[in-house]
Amino acid sequence: QQQVKQSPQSLIVQKGGIPIINCAYENTAFDYFPWYQQFPGKGPALLIAIRPDVSEKKEGRFTISFNKSAKQFSLHIMDSQPGDSATYFCAASMGDNYGQNFVFGPGTRLSVLP
Amino acid sequence: EADIYQTPRYLVIGTGKKITLECSQTMGHDKMYWYQQDPGMELHLIHYSYGVNSTEKGDLSSESTVSRIRTEHFPLTLESARPSHTSQYLCASSAPGQGVRGYTFGSGTRLTVV
Repeated sequence: QQQVKQSPQSLIVQKGGIPIINCAYENTAFDYFPWYQQFPGKGPALLIAIRPDVSEKKEGRFTISFNKSAKQFSLHIMDSQPGDSATYFCAASMGDNYGQNFVFGPGTRLSVLP
Repeated sequence: EADIYQTPRYLVIGTGKKITLECSQTMGHDKMYWYQQDPGMELHLIHYSYGVNSTEKGDLSSESTVSRIRTEHFPLTLESARPSHTSQYLCASSAPGQGVRGYTFGSGTRLTVV
């Protein structure tokens, strides 16, 4: 019940395309859902996050869609660029993250072709 | 720019050697973590700490040990390195706070045991 499932494992799109990465969870106590972006040779960095009281959040070209009833959330990258090529992790936590560790999905390797 | 530093960035060492991977953060965060990252991307929590003199084992069993004598410092030690320890090790920290919650990751140490 603590797992976060993520798909696809890898994704290749052309520049300008809209890659979509999907995540699903079981534990309804989760109340915070961040996405992390990791470039080769670097640690993951917080990209965007959402709470379950909203269905969508946009930050620049990145959008999270959240479906509370289905216990699913997804990351959309508008007008994708080769510089977006990275590994993306979804995560979930409950309560104050000080007390609870994040649960990470297994990651999606995105390649955006020029 | 992340204020969490890991050294060394790369390490190649022989089997049986004792090694310590260093992690320091300048943000005053109480909670710190060590993750092991597979070549296939997935993040596995191996140790975490709530603060000074606190250490806990994570979800993935590990032969490594950690210590937390100072808030800013969270080193990971392998008493006798083996080829199966070859991996990327990521350190992270977090603090209770308002608004966006998340981990700050270091750039990682890539360990190769030959």
